[in-house]
Parts: sequence; structure tokens; C-alpha cells
Amino acid sequence: SQTIHQWPATLVQPVGSPLSLECTVEGTSNPNLYWYRQAAGRGLQLLFYSVGIGQISSEVPQNLSASRPQDRQFILSSKKLLLSDSGFYLCAWSLPWTGAEAFFGQGTRLTVV
Amino acid sequence: AQSVAQPEDQVNVAEGNPLTVKCTYSVSGNPYLFWYVQYPNRGLQFLLKYITGDNLVKGSYGFEAEFNKSQTSFHLKKPSALVSDSALYFCAVRADSNYQLIWGAGTKLIIKP
Repeated sequence: SQTIHQWPATLVQPVGSPLSLECTVEGTSNPNLYWYRQAAGRGLQLLFYSVGIGQISSEVPQNLSASRPQDRQFILSSKKLLLSDSGFYLCAWSLPWTGAEAFFGQGTRLTVV
Repeated sequence: AQSVAQPEDQVNVAEGNPLTVKCTYSVSGNPYLFWYVQYPNRGLQFLLKYITGDNLVKGSYGFEAEFNKSQTSFHLKKPSALVSDSALYFCAVRADSNYQLIWGAGTKLIIKP
């Protein structure tokens, strides 16, 4: 069966520090991968998605970047965090067809102080 | 433009009563519709989806949803609510020409004992 791992679960970082959140998927090949941010426990904002190694599409211009160095690894990064980067970050994967549901990791609560 | 509307910010239901969480959508082409549930500080869990076929779709935890093409709706239902159903529910849609999910704003479901 497929599983998705996202870590860390919580993170407190000072303003201006770098960020690296990692997500890995097991049990499938060539998944579509997604990074979302959820503010105030409500709506989901798609940040990045990837359909293959090295292929990253950004949905919203921001202080963040994403990379996919391996087929089942998706990394969210920032060189210098802002206070506004605080939020709940969710990684997800889906099979590469339009009828496929997405499966989510447990999320990372990021607080920038 | 594609969109999803969850018109109710919060739904309150007494335990044992039937529940409905509403979702309407707008897409070009055939819609793929999804429902997810989120418990506090957790990732989203897939409940059910409509791709094609029978308009009544059954999913996890006793939930079901009815696809209504003429009303462009995909309401989530359960015959008898449990206190443990209290959570945040998201509706999402994907057009058959696009793999990106469009998310509703979420509906908080509160089941009172």
C-alpha cells in the first residue's frame, strides 16, 4: 500500500532563517506531488505541484520554493522566512490521472517568530 | 473559471439525526468530485469521489454523496450523525482536462450529543 511521510510535525523558526520541509511517498511510482498551505484552519492554497523529477510549477509567487530531487521526494524550502510564512503546510500525492484522489501527509505546523 | 462553493461555514446537527453538507461546483467539461475530512491539526482524509456512473456514491465512515448534474451539486450526507463526525469537511472538483484540484472553503460540522 502507498504511504506518505511528512516531517517535522511542528516547527518554530525565527524570521530570516531558512526552511526545509520534506515529504516522501512510498509504494507508488511517478506520482503527482503537491504542496499546500492552509491558513487559519480553513481554505487550502496550492503552492507547488510536480508531475515528475525536476518539474515544478508554482501557483503563487512567494518566498518559498520547491524541489523534486527524486521521484517520490518533494521538498519545500525558503532561504529567509517571513512572519507571513506561518501556517499549516500539507504535502499530498495522487496518481497521474484526472480521476485520482489526492492523499495527504499529516501536515507541518510552522510558526515563524 | 472553475470554482467550488460550500455555502455553509458551519453545520450543527444533533447526534443520531441525518446530516447534509452542501457543495456546488462550476467547471468546463466533465467534473470529478471529491469529499475530504480534516480533524484538528491533521492532514485531509479522502472520503469519497464521483467519476462517472451511479449518481449516489458511498464512501468511508458511512458517508455518501449525490451527484446532481442539473443542479451542479455534490452534497455530502449521512443518515445518522455521530459525535465523532465533528470535523472540517472539504469539497473539491477537477475538470477532466486538468489535474489540479479546486477546493471549497470548507464546512465545519458540529455534532452535538
